[in-house]
Amino acid sequence: AQSVTQPDIHITVSEGASLELRCNYSYGATPYLFWYVQSPGQGLQLLLKYFSGDTLVQGIKGFEAEFKRSQSSFNLRKPSVHWSDAAEYFCAVGANQGGKLIFGQGTELSVKP
Amino acid sequence: GAGVSQSPSNKVTEKGKDVELRCDPISGHTALYWYRQSLGQGLEFLIYFQGNSAPDKSGLPSDRFSAERTGGSVSTLTIQRTQQEDSAVYLCASSQRTGTYEQYFGPGTRLTVT
Repeated sequence: AQSVTQPDIHITVSEGASLELRCNYSYGATPYLFWYVQSPGQGLQLLLKYFSGDTLVQGIKGFEAEFKRSQSSFNLRKPSVHWSDAAEYFCAVGANQGGKLIFGQGTELSVKP
Repeated sequence: GAGVSQSPSNKVTEKGKDVELRCDPISGHTALYWYRQSLGQGLEFLIYFQGNSAPDKSGLPSDRFSAERTGGSVSTLTIQRTQQEDSAVYLCASSQRTGTYEQYFGPGTRLTVT
């Protein structure tokens, strides 16, 4: 069965520092992978996606993610975090039955001034 | 353009009552999804609709949950005889067609069962 693991429940970084959020997936074929962000009281906003091709994908708000098949990972990165990046981040994989998404448990990001 | 809208934004109901949650997808999107977000279970898939095909109901947690999509557009999620464990945020998403996976989410309906 498909699954997504985000090992870090909560991460705190200083403003201006770099960020990496981890995501590991379990999937039998080439996965469709996503990162979404959820600010308090808001719905989910798509940051970036990987379907095929270049394994380094760029997204909105200066985020990028790298697909590593050998490690079954799709980690999210940002070189310099801004206070407005404080939110919850979800990694998701597109399941092989229709378009439903399977989400990880989320990583809450706090940003210190 | 307009995004996915959901109503109501908040709903408080008594245990045992029925509730209806509404979702208006992005115009032209043929696929519509319902998810539930709760503290204990995270984000869970509930059901999805693709055009006129039979919906995939595999994520519905019990037969108290049902959903319909009228005219290939608006969808209603109905929970009968609500229980406290139904308290959660119910999120709706739409995409241009099944398989593109690029889903756009609404703001959600926060359901509280007292």
